[in-house]
Amino acid sequence: KAGVTQTPRYLIKTRGQQVTLSCSPISGHRSVSWYQQTPGQGLQFLFEYFSETQRNKGNFPGRFSGRQFSNSRSEMNVSTLELGDSALYLCASSLEVAADTQYFGPGTRLTVL
Amino acid sequence: GEDVEQSLFLSVREGDSSVINCTYTDSSSTYLYWYKQEPGAGLQLLTYIFSNMDMKQDQRLTVLLNKKDKHLSLRIADTQTGDSAIYFCAETVNAGGTSYGKLTFGQGTILTVHP
Repeated sequence: KAGVTQTPRYLIKTRGQQVTLSCSPISGHRSVSWYQQTPGQGLQFLFEYFSETQRNKGNFPGRFSGRQFSNSRSEMNVSTLELGDSALYLCASSLEVAADTQYFGPGTRLTVL
Repeated sequence: GEDVEQSLFLSVREGDSSVINCTYTDSSSTYLYWYKQEPGAGLQLLTYIFSNMDMKQDQRLTVLLNKKDKHLSLRIADTQTGDSAIYFCAETVNAGGTSYGKLTFGQGTILTVHP
């Protein structure tokens, strides 16, 4: 079974731009979670989607948003990019319930100049 | 709320055992995970344990859980240079609501294995 895939793997943007990252979960997984990883803050939960609905959200500003499609694929969007948004963005998929094991993709490395 | 703490560095010789430690705070219906991250890569799930278990063994990996002290450890037997990576402890609570899809991670332990 194919793992979680994320595209693109690398992105370079400038301040003020917006960016969209994509995540395709493992086949049969309906929950997708997003995390931001930075050297200073570590791994932080952004939000989780299940059945096209956001079920949970972390403490990030409204510039960070996401959505999920009927095939469980998910996108996250960051608008008005800031230098501090430079990070590795990781997507994870799981079956359904809150504590189902999460499997991670390789991440998208975003650099904001 | 949840909080997870780990020691930051561990250095061992090839062939020795490595023990990575973690403490957590949430005590209700908690699942605890160990993930491995190699440079430039995502997180690889190594193993997990539910909070009503004491121990879990999986090949070279042994997870020990002390529920009273909320202390979790990962022992890697016969550590190899390929085990050099960052190891993350994480917890989640099976309570729905604000726990949906949310893993709380420790800071990560950098394991260095010397030949």
